[in-house]
Amino acid sequence: GAVVSQHPSWVICKSGTSVKIECRSLDFQATTMFWYRQFPKQSLMLMATSNEGSKATYEQGVEKDKFLINHASLTLSTLTVTSAHPEDSSFYICSASGRRNAQETQYFGPGTRLLVL
Amino acid sequence: GQNIDQPTEMTATEGAIVQINCTYQTSGFNGLFWYQQHAGEAPTFLSYNVLDGLEEKGRFSSFLSRSKGYSYLLLKELQMKDSASYLCAVRDLNTDKLIFGTGTRLQVFP
Repeated sequence: GAVVSQHPSWVICKSGTSVKIECRSLDFQATTMFWYRQFPKQSLMLMATSNEGSKATYEQGVEKDKFLINHASLTLSTLTVTSAHPEDSSFYICSASGRRNAQETQYFGPGTRLLVL
Repeated sequence: GQNIDQPTEMTATEGAIVQINCTYQTSGFNGLFWYQQHAGEAPTFLSYNVLDGLEEKGRFSSFLSRSKGYSYLLLKELQMKDSASYLCAVRDLNTDKLIFGTGTRLQVFP
């Protein structure tokens, strides 16, 4: 079964609206969560790293005021795309890092497809 | 610096065995992951190696040699559904970030 969930799996929105994506680790505590973006036929691009209870660390070129990340607990992180524009349309994937079944691991969520019209 | 190398594409026949190699150079090593990614989907965890040696999980095995900066993913009894991209990723010791290779696109033919 799924280890990391994301909600929603699909979002279609109008330009200018904000979209919130949730990422949950289902059966382990994620000390760190990562947010990636992937465009068609391209590699995963890390956007930011978040640790529970602290501010996210953003990669170079990623606007922190546009992509708001909240890591409220060891099992939940959210990414909010504020004032979304068509160029923000992409596949957003989170991953959760922690110990699961006594082993260090990092699982990806199933991803969220965002289409901004 | 950090560098991960893996072949861009590979082909194999259904039922065969294929080995996907990955070499890496990192400033701080904290484990190596292999993921499978089908087109249009998120990566799926396959294996994690942090110590030298072979880890076997069913049809898939992963090997690591830290002294050589080398890993491979071995897929046995290939099935058509194994056609996918296989991502090698090294975890950075200081940041916990995964450094990805470009991925190896594997095509399995009947």
